[in-house]
Amino acid sequence: RKEVEQDPGPFNVPEGATVAFNCTYSNSASQSFFWYRQDCRKEPKLLMSVYSSGNEDGRFTAQLNRASQYISLLIRDSKLSDSATYLCAVLGGYNFNKFYFGSGTKLNVKP
Amino acid sequence: EAGVTQFPSHSVIEKGQTVTLRCDPISGHDNLYWYRRVMGKEIKFLLHFVKESKQDESGMPNNRFLAERTGGTYSTLKVQPAELEDSGVYFCASSPEGPFEAFFGQGTRLTVV
Repeated sequence: RKEVEQDPGPFNVPEGATVAFNCTYSNSASQSFFWYRQDCRKEPKLLMSVYSSGNEDGRFTAQLNRASQYISLLIRDSKLSDSATYLCAVLGGYNFNKFYFGSGTKLNVKP
Repeated sequence: EAGVTQFPSHSVIEKGQTVTLRCDPISGHDNLYWYRRVMGKEIKFLLHFVKESKQDESGMPNNRFLAERTGGTYSTLKVQPAELEDSGVYFCASSPEGPFEAFFGQGTRLTVV
């Protein structure tokens, strides 16, 4: 079983739409969770950390559901520039020193 | 401030050849990580340096891969001899403390033919 699983998409949405991605993780001991954004042929860039209480940054909201072992990312009022692949990352390893990444969810925002 | 830089950006080599990838972390970052993404799969951890010491190399696929970080500055990842399944994008990341504020380089796209 993979450590982190994501729906690969693509999610094709019109500008202005609200879109949500989920990501499930297998290790119930995991403590730290992140969303990264990756543009085509570029490096992953940290979008948001995900805290137990949930957190919001402008149009982006991240939430954690420990009971069901998933994290979510909600994007409101989608922009064309939001088109990218969104990677879920969970810290793991014996000393929580490395990321386990999902395979990414591709978002296409259309005019 | 310069980000994490990787060299080369692309490399095409024949099976059996040797390739060395280089990563220059952000200045002052003690933690350096190598990750790899092979076609159609997720990004996977290879190893972690703290300064010049290997903290965790549990993700290294086999003994054809050798990573070094002499002097605790830049790092190299050598693949010798390269196999077809080594093709992919190799990312380097660095952080000042732990992986929380890890910044990734743009990656080296390796193609073994």
